[in-house]
Amino acid sequence: GAGVSQTPSNKVTEKGKYVELRCDPISGHTALYWYRQSLGQGPEFLIYFQGTGAADDSGLPNDRFFAVRPEGSVSTLKIQRTERGDSAVYLCASSLSRTNEQFFGPGTRLTVL
Amino acid sequence: AQKITQTQPGMFVQEKEAVTLDCTYDTSDPSYGLFWYKQPSSGEMIFLIYQGSYDQQNATEGRYSLNFQKARKSANLVISASQLGDSAMYFCAMRESGAGKSTFGDGTTLTVKP
Repeated sequence: GAGVSQTPSNKVTEKGKYVELRCDPISGHTALYWYRQSLGQGPEFLIYFQGTGAADDSGLPNDRFFAVRPEGSVSTLKIQRTERGDSAVYLCASSLSRTNEQFFGPGTRLTVL
Repeated sequence: AQKITQTQPGMFVQEKEAVTLDCTYDTSDPSYGLFWYKQPSSGEMIFLIYQGSYDQQNATEGRYSLNFQKARKSANLVISASQLGDSAMYFCAMRESGAGKSTFGDGTTLTVKP
């Protein structure tokens, strides 16, 4: 079956602009995660959804970052007033439940100029 | 707080030989899971193997095995009969019980030499 997909694969924006990153999880997976990976580092947790609700958003760095999953499937990560430090690869993952292994998408590479 | 340490930034191995990638972790939760992922240059994270903290036996998946030493809080990945396609970044991760998120180490870059 289809894996996790993320769009766009690459996004270049200017400092101060608003961006949206989309994640389509594996069908039937109730848990969805967003991570951020900077060059040479491991993924850093941002937020975790169980169904439609954010079960843990403790990794969001500040209030410029927000994520939604209105119908319990597709999720959108929203970043307001982007800063150069937001440049990274944003990874989405999904799992059958929070206790199962996570399957990752190919990521969105965000570059803030 | 959870912490994962991977002390080997880079490792080299000859093709067809075995290699061990180190991972130590820190948690106060008695129930947790340990994961290894492979990230080739294409960027996608590929799940390799899982070990639960209460599992009695070390996990194995094909050429991958996890050397789990609970008292030492280590969960080393062993890759047997290395192949050129094993060249990639390898990440160790941990998830505590009740938590959805995983905490990742900074990874080890493995290079397999022909």
